Amino acid sequence: GDSVTQMEGPVTLSEEAFLTINCTYTATGYPSLFWYVQYPGEGLQLLLKATKADDKGSNKGFEATYRKETTSFHLEKGSVQVSDSAVYFCALSNFGNEKLTFGTGTRLTIIP
Amino acid sequence: EAGVVQSPRYKIIEKKQPVAFWCNPISGHNTLYWYRQNLGQGPELLIRYENEEAVDDSQLPKDRFSAERLKGVDSTLKIQPAELGDSAVYLCASSATRYTEAFFGQGTRLTVV
Repeated sequence: GDSVTQMEGPVTLSEEAFLTINCTYTATGYPSLFWYVQYPGEGLQLLLKATKADDKGSNKGFEATYRKETTSFHLEKGSVQVSDSAVYFCALSNFGNEKLTFGTGTRLTIIP
Repeated sequence: EAGVVQSPRYKIIEKKQPVAFWCNPISGHNTLYWYRQNLGQGPELLIRYENEEAVDDSQLPKDRFSAERLKGVDSTLKIQPAELGDSAVYLCASSATRYTEAFFGQGTRLTVV
């Protein structure tokens, strides 16, 4: 079945550092890929998505590129802020299988 | 515009007791999902509704879990009787259609003691 493997956390970085959170997937067909973020005390929010190979999703300075050849969708940000502290989930959804399959989440803490 | 509203936010019950969670989706959203998130894990789908119809309940433990979505709007998820292993966060989400972005509520954190 479909699965998502995420970089284990927690991850702690200093403000303005470069961020990478790794995500790889196993799926049949051509899934859509997502990054969701969960800020403290809040629900899951869609951060960005990509629906086909080589697409780049971007939002709030975060980027991720759909790499079919490496089955990856790594999340990157050039300069993190304290406000980026949250739990980040990589997820996929297959056409005709309208549910999200999530990774285990990566807790990110940014220190001033 | 109000988002997905869930209640209660927190619930502590003794094992073997019943419990119910309520979800009010975003107005006009036809698709409603219930997910369960165990500690340290990602959410896993329990059931998906298209309007009033449960179209995917393959992951719902039907011996003790039940769900309904009356009139295709609000939904209730029930556990009876609860077991210690049911302790988790129960998330409700909705989307305009099954192909569009899902919006999540804040979840109900259930603790079974």
